Amino acid sequence: NAGVTQTPKFRILKIGQSMTLQCTQDMNHNYMYWYRQDPGMGLKLIYYSVGAGITDKGEVPNGYNVSRSTTEDFPLRLELAAPSQTSVYFCASSYTGDKGDAVRQYFGPGTRLTVT
Amino acid sequence: LAKTTQPISMDSYEGQEVNITCSHNNIATNDYITWYQQFPSQGPRFIIQGYKTKVTNEVASLFIPADRKSSTLSLPRVSLSDTAVYYCLVGAPSGSARQLTFGSGTQLTVLP
Repeated sequence: NAGVTQTPKFRILKIGQSMTLQCTQDMNHNYMYWYRQDPGMGLKLIYYSVGAGITDKGEVPNGYNVSRSTTEDFPLRLELAAPSQTSVYFCASSYTGDKGDAVRQYFGPGTRLTVT
Repeated sequence: LAKTTQPISMDSYEGQEVNITCSHNNIATNDYITWYQQFPSQGPRFIIQGYKTKVTNEVASLFIPADRKSSTLSLPRVSLSDTAVYYCLVGAPSGSARQLTFGSGTQLTVLP
């Protein structure tokens, strides 16, 4: 299994541009998440999904959109990039089972985004 | 929302045992306690998870007292490669993922 994969690894955007960060998992996990991590800080939840067709906002959803048309894919869309969105973005997935499985998340390698 | 509190940083020497404590005073009945390790420029990696008492795996032990208001991650005989940020996460399997909050973590530096 490749686990959780993210593309691209790096991206530089100009203010006002749009882009989609891709995330794919091959573990058949139903839960998927998007986090952002600013330098020296912890992770903040942007959006999450509990299954195909179901998404919900996290702690910091403004400026982002998501969709979940399949179990495997959970893309994150930035519509009008702003310097405040400069960050490292991590996608994660987990399985809803018993005994805390949903809290055991598997993370991708991250996408480093710079908006100038 | 089970917020967590951890020390910002800790230093240790190679070969020593390191204990990192996390406070989670308002932990809910269904919440599990999960610890992650993160190296620079990488995503967090699962270390260990528990609900109560003690859990041990090949890399760490997790101690949870009866009241579950705190937990201690124990790393035996650390090496330089254990230098990383360690996060404590509290949440329930069927709870809202919005409640899965990562704090600022503990920067562990292992010295030679």
